[in-house]
Amino acid sequence: QKEVEQDPGPLSVPEGAIVSLNCTYSNSAFQYFMWYRQYSRKGPELLMYTYSSGNKEDGRFTAQVDKSSKYISLFIRDSQPSDSATYLCATRSTSGNTGKLIFGQGTTLQVKP
Amino acid sequence: DAGVIQSPRHEVTEMGQEVTLRCKPISGHDYLFWYRQTMMRGLELLIYFNNNVPIDDSGMPEDRFSAKMPNASFSTLKIQPSEPRDSAVYFCASSQTGYGYTFGSGTRLTVV
Repeated sequence: QKEVEQDPGPLSVPEGAIVSLNCTYSNSAFQYFMWYRQYSRKGPELLMYTYSSGNKEDGRFTAQVDKSSKYISLFIRDSQPSDSATYLCATRSTSGNTGKLIFGQGTTLQVKP
Repeated sequence: DAGVIQSPRHEVTEMGQEVTLRCKPISGHDYLFWYRQTMMRGLELLIYFNNNVPIDDSGMPEDRFSAKMPNASFSTLKIQPSEPRDSAVYFCASSQTGYGYTFGSGTRLTVV
């Protein structure tokens, strides 16, 4: 079993739709949770990060962590064609190899005009 | 800030040849990571350094792979000899805090 599981998609939605992207993780020691966005032929870029459980909002993006169910979500409101990209969740623990991020497989999102 | 700089952007080489990928991290960042990305396996951590010292190389697939960081502003990933299954996009990333990575644009390696 992978430490972080993510449905690779692809996910196709019409412009303006609400998008929900999800990951599950297996290690209860994971405390930091991140979402990266990767455009085609580019490196991943940090979109949002959260610590422990709860919600964090940034414009049209909301990151949600539920540690009780080991579930991470990213919501995109009023999705735009420019949101078309691959979204990767990532996590790490607070102990041990603290520099090491574990990434999900990535979900490819297409927003159609 | 020019970001993380990787070279070359593309590399096509024949099986058995030596390949060297280069990375210049962001100035002041004390962590440097090498990742490999393929469609099948996603983003895999190969090795990472903290203050130029290798911390975890458990992701290096085999002895054909080696990485060095001779100073805070330069790192190399070498594959010798290269094989077709090494074909992938190799990313370098750096971080100051250990959890907010900045990735380079990657090197697309094709081994024929």
